[in-house]
Order: sequence, then structure tokens, then C-alpha cells
Amino acid sequence: DTAVSQTPKYLVTQMGNDKSIKCEQNLGHDTMYWYKQDSKKFLKIMFSYNNKELIINETVPNRFSPKSPDKAHLNLHINSLELGDSAVYFCASSQGSSSQYFGPGTRLLVL
Amino acid sequence: QKEVEQNSGPLSVPEGAIASLNCTYSDRGSQSFFWYRQYSGKSPELIMSIYSNGDKEDGRFTAQLNKASQYVSLLIRDSQPSDSATYLCAVNDSGGGADGLTFGKGTHLIIQP
Repeated sequence: DTAVSQTPKYLVTQMGNDKSIKCEQNLGHDTMYWYKQDSKKFLKIMFSYNNKELIINETVPNRFSPKSPDKAHLNLHINSLELGDSAVYFCASSQGSSSQYFGPGTRLLVL
Repeated sequence: QKEVEQNSGPLSVPEGAIASLNCTYSDRGSQSFFWYRQYSGKSPELIMSIYSNGDKEDGRFTAQLNKASQYVSLLIRDSQPSDSATYLCAVNDSGGGADGLTFGKGTHLIIQP
């Protein structure tokens, strides 16, 4: 069974479109995260959710909005996509501040 | 601004030798330290976590932490070609609550058969 899963695996879209990425974890963790890995492979935190509350929100454009319907799910919605949004987006989860486990990633390409 | 520094490499090590990967971090309040392995096109995979000064061993892997020097290292003994990957050092400054990890840019390790 996959511990942290993401859909879709690949996403190709046009500039200006709105898209969503979904994440689910079956580890029973209380905290979920979104990370962005750019073309230079640098991995950077975007958001984290703990018990449905946004804990941190780094300097991410407000076109990005995380939504957590329950403790096991954290979705990422992106409005008005730009070329610079092309990257790999990873979801992760943890129990408190313990080790984080990553999903397989969603490869987003904006044309 | 919290920073985690790693030598990007590539670090080339003969098969069977010890690979030594190093990392320094800027935030003295950092509490938790992690090493992740990432194969090309794959997601980061947790290798080791360490929370207190000293060494922690798990199989062929040993993590070393020196908070006074703000230094974390990972040793891989008996290196295998399958160890060839990018190794990411990550730091969490959480004192108990949840927080995101600050990652270094990774060291590309190549194990030469």
C-alpha cells in the first residue's frame, strides 16, 4: 500500500489555466506538507497543515492555495499558472516534527 | 534566513570504499536533522534521522551530528553502485510543533564499480 500518494503524476497545461494536485496519506500522520523542487533540484517548503490548520506559509504567491478536507488529504490548487510554476511538486507527511515521508511527486509543465 | 549548505559534487567513490557526505546549517535553533536519498526522477527517501550530538548507526549508514559546529555528516560504508544518487541534508528547527524542512541543494554521489 502506498503511504503517501499524489495525483496526477504528470500535468501539462497552458499558461493562465487553473489546476489542482491531490495528495493522500494513509500513515495516520497529523501534518502534511507541499514542497516544490525546481529545475535545479532545489527542494523548498511551500505549506504545511496540522490538524487542518495552516502552520507555515512561505513566500509563495497567493495563486497557490492549499486545501485540506481532512487529516489524510492535502490538495494544492494553483490559479493563473505561469511558466515559472513548472516544477515537481511533492507532498509529504509526518507525525508532529518527526521524520517526513514524501509522495512520488507531480511533474507540472506549463507551456 | 535559514540555510543548509552541501557540496554539490559530484563526489566519486570507488565501490567498497566509505563515502563521506557533509552538511552545515545556519540556524542554531535547529532540533532535528535528516538525510534523504533521491534517485533521478524519484522522490526523496528518508535514510537517517538524528536528534542529538554524536553518532547514529543503521546498517551501512552512520549519521554524525555536532551542534556546536553546526555540522551533520553521513557516512556510507562498503559503498555499492546502487548508492549512486543525490543525498539531501535537511534540518527542522521545530521545538515540538510541526514545521517544514529546510533542505540543502544536495550532493551528487557516484559509486564507481
